[in-house]
Amino acid sequence: GAVVSQHPSRVICKSGTSVKIECRSLDFQATTMFWYRQFPKQSLMLMATSNEGSKATYEQGVEKDKFLINHASLTLSTLTVTSAHPEDSSFYICSARSIGGSGNTIYFGEGSWLTVV
Amino acid sequence: DAKTTQPNSMESNEEEPVHLPCNHSTISGTDYIHWYRQLPSQGPEYVIHGLTSNVNNRMASLAIAEDRKSSTLILHRATLRDAAVYYCILRSGNQFYFGTGTSLTVIP
Repeated sequence: GAVVSQHPSRVICKSGTSVKIECRSLDFQATTMFWYRQFPKQSLMLMATSNEGSKATYEQGVEKDKFLINHASLTLSTLTVTSAHPEDSSFYICSARSIGGSGNTIYFGEGSWLTVV
Repeated sequence: DAKTTQPNSMESNEEEPVHLPCNHSTISGTDYIHWYRQLPSQGPEYVIHGLTSNVNNRMASLAIAEDRKSSTLILHRATLRDAAVYYCILRSGNQFYFGTGTSLTVIP
């Protein structure tokens, strides 16, 4: 299947700083990418949907000024957690929708663990 | 957003078939049924998807009810590596929301 890669896989940052997580589709072009967060023993919660070259659409309750999403190319989306606080510590997962033959399938990255201390 | 209902947990003996049910009574005509599974601390892995007809691939089979209000993921011979949380998701366009999933335990 298609490959989606996230970086970094784990990051620790100090409270009040910002951290960026990258999501790349390695072998296909993705017009649409999605960002989720997941707390331990819970399901994935959709944060936002981003389309290449346009602003992201955020889910209700997700602060767009805190979670900055940029989808600058068909293979890269970034999530920046600004002014991070300990409650932002979570598992962040991206996914990408292929525009090719598997257009009906969405592939997920490996996830990124964020710990804010 | 369309909803799915799955049992919280199921158990299976190793090398036996597993049938994971999913109810989606509010499904619309254009919603695709997707199944993913997730191991701890990993991103979800695509398993299978379908629209109306039953589907088979190397990982599993997907049986879709004639009225499409339910579906069943079939693992033909469960292995220890199949222990995971299995999510049944309805996709309509870019709407792709996860439910609570079924935690599958495989007993050696």
